[in-house]
Amino acid sequence: GAGVSQSPRYKVAKRGQDVALRCDPISGHVSLFWYQQALGQGPEFLTYFQNEAQLDKSGLPSDRFFAERPEGSVSTLKIQRTQQEDSAVYLCASSLFGTVLSGANVLTFGAGSRLTVL
Amino acid sequence: RKEVEQDPGPFNVPEGATVAFNCTYSNSASQSFFWYRQDCRKEPKLLMSVYSSGNEDGRFTAQLNRASQYISLLIRDSKLSDSATYLCVVNMGSAGGTSYGKLTFGQGTILTVHP
Repeated sequence: GAGVSQSPRYKVAKRGQDVALRCDPISGHVSLFWYQQALGQGPEFLTYFQNEAQLDKSGLPSDRFFAERPEGSVSTLKIQRTQQEDSAVYLCASSLFGTVLSGANVLTFGAGSRLTVL
Repeated sequence: RKEVEQDPGPFNVPEGATVAFNCTYSNSASQSFFWYRQDCRKEPKLLMSVYSSGNEDGRFTAQLNRASQYISLLIRDSKLSDSATYLCVVNMGSAGGTSYGKLTFGQGTILTVHP
């Protein structure tokens, strides 16, 4: 597609529920990132994929968070046993190349999935 | 200390004003620098890259001082449509020996331009 598409846009979960958030990056983009943005804060890095390989998951806050990109395109971020502190906007972003970002390798964000855990 | 620090503001300025935002980063090995703009309940969008020599895009001027690890953004002749959160962003990531461009964001500076 023309942009990065994320679904659902809004998700309300009861504490303890599992959720899955989907990201459809721009077609052909090698790099895919997940970020978490709490209210009033900047986005915080969660994990990075280069094609289907998860090269960095250092930002995942706990083992309840799991991400995959099995065929190197669509990615899913799964949160098990959701907690109230998981409430945030989850942003997916993609870029064409798998190298240092510069003006020629722009990172494009999706509109995000807003998760509210009650 | 946060890796990227910004004054969160808010900055409230009248139309036509000049406003400057500052940002500092902690990792001296950081490779590339950006300003992103984020409108309320929207995704961040690239405003401009920041180069060592400084660069200008219309009413926007970005400066980088690597020695001081300091980045700035100057907006001249502010418009109502400039109201947004401005995010200072630094590339300081690497994996497997190849830097892939992990971005670290500041908290963001809120700008409101009023008539």
